[in-house]
Amino acid sequence: GEDVEQSLFLSVREGDSSVINCTYTDSSSTYLYWYKQEPGAGLQLLTYIFSNMDMKQDQRLTVLLNKKDKHLSLRIADTQTGDSAIYFCAEKVDSSYKLIFGSGTRLLVRP
Amino acid sequence: DVKVTQSSRYLVKRTGEKVFLECVQDMDHENMFWYRQDPGLGLRLIYFSYDVKMKEKGDIPEGYSVSREKKERFSLILESASTNQTSMYLCASVNVIGEKLFFGSGTQLSVL
Repeated sequence: GEDVEQSLFLSVREGDSSVINCTYTDSSSTYLYWYKQEPGAGLQLLTYIFSNMDMKQDQRLTVLLNKKDKHLSLRIADTQTGDSAIYFCAEKVDSSYKLIFGSGTRLLVRP
Repeated sequence: DVKVTQSSRYLVKRTGEKVFLECVQDMDHENMFWYRQDPGLGLRLIYFSYDVKMKEKGDIPEGYSVSREKKERFSLILESASTNQTSMYLCASVNVIGEKLFFGSGTQLSVL
């Protein structure tokens, strides 16, 4: 069945790069997403990648997709304390509008 | 920018009460969703709607119902609230192409 997995926690020092990883099981994924949730807020779409792409860069964010291994990663360069949040990976399967979410990775940025 | 508005940020209800959670989007999106978010479980889909008066069950529909009488409004109903429905509820909407799901800020519901 469909499943998206992420590690629960990551801690980095301010200024370092952060890499948040995600694995998914459904090979018919069409889009893969990264959402950010700050404390007490809803989810904010950070970036997304179409399944026929390997990489997408958007300012400090780099998304890498390894479709063979069903592995998605989000790299945040020069991580700032404002990047502390929960990051959710999600996949969109086939023509369905439904997104399958991972359980979220809590990123803590230490000064 | 798309705006998805949830009517309440925090709600406290008693067991057995009927609870309505309201969600409104302003971008004429066809598709709207209700998720619940629990620690360690991520987001789980309760119901979604792809058109007015149309609805489909998600992964955890038990104990919930929904209403979509107008395109911009999608309501989640807890017919008889129970303590295991204490959670953060998130509404979302998406355009027809379905690339980007936009979320409301969430309603933290506590059932005592």
